[in-house]
Amino acid sequence: SAVISQKPSRDICQRGTSLTIQCQVDSQVTMMFWYRQQPGQSLTLIATANQGSEATYESGFVIDKFPISRPNLTFSTLTVSNMSPEDSSIYLCSVPGLALQETQYFGPGTRLLVL
Amino acid sequence: AQKITQTQPGMFVQEKEAVTLDCTYDTSDQSYGLFWYKQPSSGEMIFLIYQGSYDEQNATEGRYSLNFQKARKSANLVISASQLGDSAMYFCAMREGGADSSYKLIFGSGTRLLVRP
Repeated sequence: SAVISQKPSRDICQRGTSLTIQCQVDSQVTMMFWYRQQPGQSLTLIATANQGSEATYESGFVIDKFPISRPNLTFSTLTVSNMSPEDSSIYLCSVPGLALQETQYFGPGTRLLVL
Repeated sequence: AQKITQTQPGMFVQEKEAVTLDCTYDTSDQSYGLFWYKQPSSGEMIFLIYQGSYDEQNATEGRYSLNFQKARKSANLVISASQLGDSAMYFCAMREGGADSSYKLIFGSGTRLLVRP
């Protein structure tokens, strides 16, 4: 299975500021996904990050609010910009396993609280 | 549009007993995959089991098995011999599409399982 790390593991931020979350994978992967889990809710896909191309955003998520970088096949960042209390969530990155369709692994998540 | 439904917000089970967590799905695709994840209070998402739409046998992984009923569009998770460490949130998820799909997952609302000693 893929080993995925995320930094920071948690943070408390003031509204109006931005936070960049890092995701590192121990193997090269073509696709990385960023999900959001709001308190007490399920997971919602924010965007798919492909190396060498622009990220693909899901409905309701825009690049200005959640810019994503994918500089290489093992690393990605998600920035939460101009934060408000509604951005308080767990943010998780995810990658497909070697059996692409049959597994998908998640990082440990970043717990964000916006005051 | 694809959809995953988990109708049990919370479940109790006695330690060492078996428990079934329900999941139904809706898709117009012939090729799709179904996943179950466990989320303990720490927040991490732990992959448990996968079932492909063309798989004729129900998937099993240790104490976890997936009761796949394609005609009913259900993919229930069965946990045998429950342990206290099984107390967590459980999510059912679906991936649509074949080999050229985007691999993104759609999640149900989750079921919180509490194992009683």
